[in-house]
Amino acid sequence: GAGVSQSPSNKVTEKGKDVELRCDPISGHTALYWYRQSLGQGLEFLIYFQGNSAPDKSGLPSDRFSAERTGGSVSTLTIQRTQQEDSAVYLCASSSYSSEKLFFGSGTQLSVL
Amino acid sequence: AQKITQTQPGMFVQEKEAVTLDCTYDTSDQSYGLFWYKQPSSGEMIFLIYQGSYDEQNATEGRYSLNFQKARKSANLVISASQLGDSAMYFCAMRGGGGFKTIFGAGTRLFVKA
Repeated sequence: GAGVSQSPSNKVTEKGKDVELRCDPISGHTALYWYRQSLGQGLEFLIYFQGNSAPDKSGLPSDRFSAERTGGSVSTLTIQRTQQEDSAVYLCASSSYSSEKLFFGSGTQLSVL
Repeated sequence: AQKITQTQPGMFVQEKEAVTLDCTYDTSDQSYGLFWYKQPSSGEMIFLIYQGSYDEQNATEGRYSLNFQKARKSANLVISASQLGDSAMYFCAMRGGGGFKTIFGAGTRLFVKA
C-alpha cells in the first residue's frame, strides 16, 4: 500500500504487560513521528525520527516508553509495564523533504485493563 | 520552547456561513511551518492547508484559507460557506526547531448546523 500502515489496529492488554506497536511509513519518507491521542483530546507528541539523526525523545512521558526505527523505515513503539492511563490511540505519521505535510496512519487503539 | 494554543474547545456555525478557528503559536525559530488538519469522527487525520513562515501571501485551498499574522503569531483557519461535512475536530500544528518536529494544539470541535 502507499500509505502509512500501523498494526495492530486494536490492542487490549492487562495492566503490567508490555506492548509493541508497529508503524510502516511511506517508502522514502525520512521523518517518522509518534503521537498519542486520548479520547476527545489533542495529539500529544511522543517521539520523532529524522533520517539517521538521533531521535527527538522529548515527548516520551516516562522511561516505560521507548521507540526504535530500524533501517530508516519501520518503527516500533514499546510500552513496558502498561498502566491504565496509557490507554489511548497511538498515531504514527511520516513525511518527506519534498512535502510539508504529515501523512498519518489509522492508529492503534490501546486499551489497558 | 514551541507551543500551539487553540482557545476554542467548541464552535458552532450555521451552514453556508463562514467560520474562523483561532490558533496562536510561540516559537523562537525564524523558519517554521504552520498546518491545519481535520479529524472527522472516523478518526483519520486530513491535511487541509500549510503556511510557511516566509510566505508573504496567506495560503488558500478551496474553501480553506489561513489568516497568517506573523507579528501576532497567529494562524487562524477560515472556512467559507460551511457544509455539514465540515463538522469535525480541527487541529493547528507547527513544524520548527530546525528540523521536522511537528507539534499540535488541543483542537477545536466544529459543529455545523443545518
